[in-house]
Amino acid sequence: ILNVEQSPQSLHVQEGDSTNFTCSFPSSNFYALHWYRWETAKSPEALFVMTLNGDEKKKGRISATLNTKEGYSYLYIKGSQPEDSATYLCAFGSNYQLIWGAGTKLIIKP
Amino acid sequence: NAGVTQTPKFQVLKTGQSMTLQCAQDMNHNSMYWYRQDPGMGLRLIYYSASEGTTDKGEVPNGYNVSRLNKREFSLRLESAAPSQTSVYFCASSGPGTAGEEQYFGPGTRLTVT
Repeated sequence: ILNVEQSPQSLHVQEGDSTNFTCSFPSSNFYALHWYRWETAKSPEALFVMTLNGDEKKKGRISATLNTKEGYSYLYIKGSQPEDSATYLCAFGSNYQLIWGAGTKLIIKP
Repeated sequence: NAGVTQTPKFQVLKTGQSMTLQCAQDMNHNSMYWYRQDPGMGLRLIYYSASEGTTDKGEVPNGYNVSRLNKREFSLRLESAAPSQTSVYFCASSGPGTAGEEQYFGPGTRLTVT
């Protein structure tokens, strides 16, 4: 059974601080690793899709790294802002399907 | 472009009733998916359709059926609803259909079965 673990489950961060969280996934049959941002009362929206070991992607203050050999990815947020409050989901892609983690809920304290 | 649309947004059913959740996308995507989302759990794949004319079971298909009506539309049917099917249901679509393509999600359907 393929399992995707995200840690921590939730995180309170002071506005302006930087933070990061982890996604762990199987290191075999890897095709892609996805990160999504999910705001309350909205739908998940893709942040990054990474396919190569060592990939690093960046969008504004948010970046992600990928290690397929050891089966983990980090998501970094620099200088957290209130609008960064959301649940961040990662998903492991194998063939046609995505296996999803339960998410890290990020709350930014003003 | 509307992206991915779902109807209805909310539904309350009694145990044993049936209903169909509708999903449509206007992005000319090949692949479409149905997920359910329960508190404390990740999105779980119910069924997917890699291309028009094909459907496959996901992680939790029991109690559900699907129809890929055409390239745009993918419906999910509950034949005899059970309280365990109380959940939020999301439809999603993606381009070529491999796991390397980002998925676009609909607004969700909140279903309660009493």
